[in-house]
Amino acid sequence: GAVVSQHPSWVICKSGTSVKIECRSLDFQATTMFWYRQFPKQSLMLMATSNEGSKATYEQGVEKDKFLINHASLTLSTLTVTSAHPEDSSFYICSARVWGGPYNEQFFGPGTRLTVL
Amino acid sequence: AQKVTQAQTEISVVEKEDVTLDCVYETRDTTYYLFWYKQPPSGELVFLIRRNSFDEQNEISGRYSWNFQKSTSSFNFTITASQVVDSAVYFCALSLQGAQKLVFGQGTRLTINP
Repeated sequence: GAVVSQHPSWVICKSGTSVKIECRSLDFQATTMFWYRQFPKQSLMLMATSNEGSKATYEQGVEKDKFLINHASLTLSTLTVTSAHPEDSSFYICSARVWGGPYNEQFFGPGTRLTVL
Repeated sequence: AQKVTQAQTEISVVEKEDVTLDCVYETRDTTYYLFWYKQPPSGELVFLIRRNSFDEQNEISGRYSWNFQKSTSSFNFTITASQVVDSAVYFCALSLQGAQKLVFGQGTRLTINP
């Protein structure tokens, strides 16, 4: 149980285009989803916390107009990188917190590798 | 503020050696949770263990063991008789009760050579 999927697993796009990444909890309801960014050989950095039905909370330094997050249902959150540039190339990982789950446990998706040319 | 430090950036050992990955955390809260995750080359994070602050009992799972010591704010991870498949980046993480964030350490890249 507690499986989280991400789509696509990798994407290559041209500079200036927008890219949408989906994060789904497949077998549980997730009131909260998280989006992380990981540069090569670095740790995961939390970008934003997404609660179903409300606006996402962004971490300091993350441009909310550039990284649009929508959490429209208890099983789906999307991250849209708008007007992507090469510096946005990174590994994006989502996680979902189990509704009513103990221990603050998060389940992670497999990640999406974004390359902006 | 909370912080997790993994001082070992990279470790390389020969197969069958034992290896310990260090994790030191900082928090003023009395209730918190500690985690270890494995990230193989595929990138997907694999959950290894969770420990809450009131449970200092050490844990063993097969070749893996964890030593939690509140006195030194450490939560170290030992792999016994390492195998090539253990090669990955390992992250230690901390979250507070009621908070939703996971704070990750910098990660330790472990390479097991045959």
